[in-house]
Amino acid sequence: GAGVSQSPSNKVTEKGKDVELRCDPISGHTALYWYRQRLGQGLEFLIYFQGNSAPDKSGLPSDRFSAERTGESVSTLTIQRTQQEDSAVYLCASSSEPGGQDTQYFGPGTRLTVL
Amino acid sequence: GDSVTQMEGPVTLSEEAFLTINCTYTATGYPSLFWYVQYPGEGLQLLLKATKADDKGSNKGFEATYRKETTSFHLEKGSVQVSDSAVYFCALWQSNFGNEKLTFGTGTRLTIIP
Repeated sequence: GAGVSQSPSNKVTEKGKDVELRCDPISGHTALYWYRQRLGQGLEFLIYFQGNSAPDKSGLPSDRFSAERTGESVSTLTIQRTQQEDSAVYLCASSSEPGGQDTQYFGPGTRLTVL
Repeated sequence: GDSVTQMEGPVTLSEEAFLTINCTYTATGYPSLFWYVQYPGEGLQLLLKATKADDKGSNKGFEATYRKETTSFHLEKGSVQVSDSAVYFCALWQSNFGNEKLTFGTGTRLTIIP
């Protein structure tokens, strides 16, 4: 079956614009995660969904960041009024059950560049 | 909070050399430990994991042993191949109420030359 897919693969935007990043998890996976990877740094957790609910939003860096998930499937990460420090690769992962012991399957990421 | 420290790269080795990538962690309780790998142009994928002390995870010739006494999970391979060139990430997960995230290290870029 298909793996986790993300779109767009690359996004270049101007400072102050809003962007939407999309994640399509593996079908049937109830848990979905967003991470951010800045150049030369490790992966930084942003938010976790169980079904359509987000019990852990602790990683969202500011109120400019929001995410939603619908139909226990597709998730969208929205960044409003983008800043240059938002430039990073945004990774989505899904797993069949919540809890980190279950393998998380990662998408290829969206590379966001804010000019 | 939880944290993972891994060997800084880049690491360059000749084919058939022995590989060690160090990883140590800080966490309360008893986390599960993982190595993820990212091959060029591909997404992150799980390489191996260990869920309790003294467990050894292994896959594709790679091994790592969960050492509670030294809070380490070093990745080893006896004879590396060019196809092992990738970025390797050490990570931990611990069960805390509402906490379902992996904490990652910064990654180690490995290049194997023929």
